[in-house]
Amino acid sequence: QVQLRQSGPELVKPSGTLSLNCTVSGFSITTGFFWGWIRQSPGKGLEWIGSINHDRGTFYNPSLRGRVTISIDTSRDQFSLHLTSLTAADTAVYYCARDSRWSQSYYMDVWGQGTTVTVSS
Amino acid sequence: IQLTQSPSSLSASVGDRVSITCRASQGISTYLAWYQQKPGEAPRLLIYSASTLQSGVPSRFSGSGSGTDFTLTISSLQPEDFATYYCQQLDSYPYTFGQGTRLEI
Repeated sequence: QVQLRQSGPELVKPSGTLSLNCTVSGFSITTGFFWGWIRQSPGKGLEWIGSINHDRGTFYNPSLRGRVTISIDTSRDQFSLHLTSLTAADTAVYYCARDSRWSQSYYMDVWGQGTTVTVSS
Repeated sequence: IQLTQSPSSLSASVGDRVSITCRASQGISTYLAWYQQKPGEAPRLLIYSASTLQSGVPSRFSGSGSGTDFTLTISSLQPEDFATYYCQQLDSYPYTFGQGTRLEI
């Protein structure tokens, strides 16, 4: 059974950097899927941040480009989110998810448990 | 691509048939997914490719549409179906979500 387990801080300071990890179990991170990050805030609803595949590249939401980096560690079956220059607007619940793209079937079918991140001094 | 869901909220009773619509600002073929979310939980995939039922999802859920207009239908509401529903387009980057439809008793 595929599971995604998130880890990382829940309180970060303004102008700081958020780093979250997502560890994949029950499945190899190199098996053709993309792996994505999504956040949810009361003001903006669900927002796709970006997705990565170990050999097909990384795609980001232009609204965050310049502040966001998604990386992958295939040796640990783990992928990570780094978001810089934080403001209160980045306060949200952050989710990782498996981003499936097969033939003409695209969807996000397995999600992490979510991490509630608050940006505050 | 903007997705507009309607209604934003809906009151219904157990056993009712309900439909939620999702309209895209431009054509997205059938690259549309539907999710259910309950408070404190991550979204759960219900439907992908506009009309394909995800494994393990009850058959009372169905999806239809293509291009710009899509519908999620629940044929006979069960108590566990009261939640918020979101559509998502995966036709082009950036992926976007609808604003959600809250289904209340």
